[in-house]
Amino acid sequence: DTAVSQTPKYLVTQMGNDKSIKCEQNLGHDTMYWYKQDSKKFLKIMFSYNNKELIINETVPNRFSPKSPDKAHLNLHINSLELGDSAVYFCASSQVRGALAPAFFGQGTRLTVV
Amino acid sequence: TQLLEQSPQFLSIQEGENLTVYCNSSSVFSSLQWYRQEPGEGPVLLVTVVTGGEVKKLKRLTFQFGDARKDSSLHITAAQTGDTGLYLCAGVGGSSNTGKLIFGQGTTLQVKP
Repeated sequence: DTAVSQTPKYLVTQMGNDKSIKCEQNLGHDTMYWYKQDSKKFLKIMFSYNNKELIINETVPNRFSPKSPDKAHLNLHINSLELGDSAVYFCASSQVRGALAPAFFGQGTRLTVV
Repeated sequence: TQLLEQSPQFLSIQEGENLTVYCNSSSVFSSLQWYRQEPGEGPVLLVTVVTGGEVKKLKRLTFQFGDARKDSSLHITAAQTGDTGLYLCAGVGGSSNTGKLIFGQGTTLQVKP
């Protein structure tokens, strides 16, 4: 069983469209994250939820809206997609927050905006 | 702003050689993690170091946390082709309870047969 699963794995869409990426974890973790990896492989955190509560909201355009219906799911909705949104988006989860929390990452969703 | 700088960014070596990857910051981190990422996959945790001066070994990989908890290194002995991948260091940043990871730029390692 995949611990952290994201769908879709690949997403190609036109500028201006709205799209969603779904994430589910079956590890029983309390905390989930969204990270963005750019073309230079640099990973940067976007959002974090703990037990459905938003705890990290980095400087991200408000076209990006995370939603956590329950602690096992954290979806990412993106409105009015732009060329610069093209990247690989990773969902991750951890059992606890804090210094010792390893993050378990999904396989990523490669978003290409044309 | 907490930043982590990794060096080198690219490394291409022959099988059997040794190598060291560095991760440096001007900030103190409560812990540092090392991840390995293969193409088309997400990062996978290798190790977490917490105490200043701590050394951890994972088979041929040796991880060290600096005494001041501002830097870390990954040393691979007798590299194998299976070690090829992107190595990422990540510090737990922000307030201590968020679990927010701050990543370095990564080191792409290619081990040639």
